[in-house]
Amino acid sequence: GAGVSQSPSNKVTEKGKDVELRCDPISGHTALYWYRQRLGQGLEFLIYFQGNSAPDKSGLPSDRFSAERTGESVSTLTIQRTQQEDSAVYLCASSLVGGPGEKLFFGSGTQLSVL
Amino acid sequence: QKEVEQNSGPLSVPEGAIASLNCTYSDRGSQSFFWYRQYSGKSPELIMSIYSNGDKEDGRFTAQLNKASQYVSLLIRDSQPSDSATYLCAVHSSNTGKLIFGQGTTLQVKP
Repeated sequence: GAGVSQSPSNKVTEKGKDVELRCDPISGHTALYWYRQRLGQGLEFLIYFQGNSAPDKSGLPSDRFSAERTGESVSTLTIQRTQQEDSAVYLCASSLVGGPGEKLFFGSGTQLSVL
Repeated sequence: QKEVEQNSGPLSVPEGAIASLNCTYSDRGSQSFFWYRQYSGKSPELIMSIYSNGDKEDGRFTAQLNKASQYVSLLIRDSQPSDSATYLCAVHSSNTGKLIFGQGTTLQVKP
């Protein structure tokens, strides 16, 4: 596709439910990033994929959070047993090879609201 | 200590003035530094990148880097109301491969 695509754009869920967020990076981009942005806050690093591997999972807030990537393309971020503090915008970004000087291209984000 | 620190603001400047945005970082191994602009309700977009000490100019924007002081800044000349946004400083760690963002500085340019 022309840009990074995320779905759904908005998700409202009840506390305790599981949610799955999807990211389609720009075709050919091998590096993929997930960030969380709480209201009025900066971007909090969650996880980074190089191909299908995640060299750094240190940003995942708890074991309720997991992410995977298949076919060096689509990635899903899963949050189990959602809590109200999980409410935020979840942003996905991709870059060509994940090099240090590369520009990140961001998707429009998924606004998650946990009631 | 946060890895990347910014003053959250808001920073308010009159139209036509110079806006100065500052950022400090903790990882001395960092080699690449970026400024992203984020309009309210939108995703971040890259406006400047800098890799060497000194100044880098692009139109009304100038990025400044001082690795010894672990400091990077963004100057916006002739500020316009359309520059009103949150400016995010991002630092790439060559050790971890992570791109770490600061919390952002909100800039308000008043007509």
